[in-house]
Amino acid sequence: AQSVTQPDIHITVSEGASLELRCNYSYGATPYLFWYVQSPGQGLQLLLKYFSGDTLVQGIKGFEAEFKRSQSSFNLRKPSVHWSDAAEYFCAVGPLTGNNRKLIWGLGTSLAVNP
Amino acid sequence: DTEVTQTPKHLVMGMTNKKSLKCEQHMGHRAMYWYKQKAKKPPELMFVYSYEKLSINESVPSRFSPECPNSSLLNLHLHALQPEDSALYLCASSQVDMGFVRDPYFGPGTRLLVL
Repeated sequence: AQSVTQPDIHITVSEGASLELRCNYSYGATPYLFWYVQSPGQGLQLLLKYFSGDTLVQGIKGFEAEFKRSQSSFNLRKPSVHWSDAAEYFCAVGPLTGNNRKLIWGLGTSLAVNP
Repeated sequence: DTEVTQTPKHLVMGMTNKKSLKCEQHMGHRAMYWYKQKAKKPPELMFVYSYEKLSINESVPSRFSPECPNSSLLNLHLHALQPEDSALYLCASSQVDMGFVRDPYFGPGTRLLVL
């Protein structure tokens, strides 16, 4: 079955510390992978995406993610977290072709940042 | 213009009311979506329109009625809703290139409360 797992429901880090949010997927075909961020009371903002090519992708706000096919993972990283990064982070995977354009979402990781 | 706008931002309605949510984008995207999101949960796909035609209906109750009047507008008509329908309703749109659907851009959402 197709699925996305975000193993960490909640993570707390100190401001300035590094961050890694985990995402594992199960998908039968070549996956198209996304990380979205949602600040409280806001909509979803795309941080970065992977379709093909270089497996290390750079996104907005200083985030990056690495696609590892052998581990079925697409972990999100940031070298130094800012207080404004506190938010809910969702990993998603989808085919994005044909008539089935349904993204499969992880349950999200809630990030808290200590000053 | 690289945004999806949604009105109203907040809506309170009784179970016998009829109301509509509106979504607009001027990015030339030809796929548009309605999602429902409960607090601290990932978004759930409700409807997908592709080239102004309904292509996906995720078995949504008939008290939700989508409409796509043109390529820039998407409406969600609400009638006889239940309290459990209270949620954040997100609109999104995607570019379509030769059948390949790009990543969705999300609007800020309409927070709906059904009393």
